[in-house]
Amino acid sequence: KQEVTQIPAALSVPEGENLVLNCSFTDSAIYNLQWFRQDPGKGLTSLLLIQSSQREQTSGRLNASLDKSSGRSTLYIAASQPGDSATYLCAVDNYGQNFVFGPGTRLSVLP
Amino acid sequence: DGGITQSPKYLFRKEGQNVTLSCEQNLNHDAMYWYRQDPGQGLRLIYYSQIVNDFQKGDIAEGYSVSREKKESFPLTVTSAQKNPTAFYLCASPSATEAFFGQGTRLTVV
Repeated sequence: KQEVTQIPAALSVPEGENLVLNCSFTDSAIYNLQWFRQDPGKGLTSLLLIQSSQREQTSGRLNASLDKSSGRSTLYIAASQPGDSATYLCAVDNYGQNFVFGPGTRLSVLP
Repeated sequence: DGGITQSPKYLFRKEGQNVTLSCEQNLNHDAMYWYRQDPGQGLRLIYYSQIVNDFQKGDIAEGYSVSREKKESFPLTVTSAQKNPTAFYLCASPSATEAFFGQGTRLTVV
């Protein structure tokens, strides 16, 4: 059974810092991996999706990498801003069966 | 705009009542999913449907029921058998390349 973990559970950084969020999964037979952002009391917003054949995806200040063989993905946020404060969730897609989510990393960027 | 609409945003349930959460999508997607989120935890799959008139149990289906009579709609009923229903419920509908989520329904037992 696929299990997804995220480290750290919470992170607090001063504005302007570069930071890395980590996601690990136990079964490498995935279709894709997706990073989401969730603001308090809201739904999920997709940030980046990496297909199983890809190594990384970039969008603005965000860069996500995928190492399927080791079961790891990282989300890199450059030059963090207070508006980046949210919970970040990663999810793996097991070939359309369902998405398995990690517990999330709660990020606070202090002005 | 294409998207997923969940209603209501807030819902209160008395002990022993059944309540139904609505999820509608105009994305023309075949698949729809229901997740439950508890504070500080990730999302857990309740039920999912890959096609109209068919649905499958997820990891925590006990105490819940669904129907999929139309492609656009996937309502979730929280029954009185669900002993701890207070949570945030999210509906999702993936395409081949991305998962789209509604804004969620917060259910509270009073």
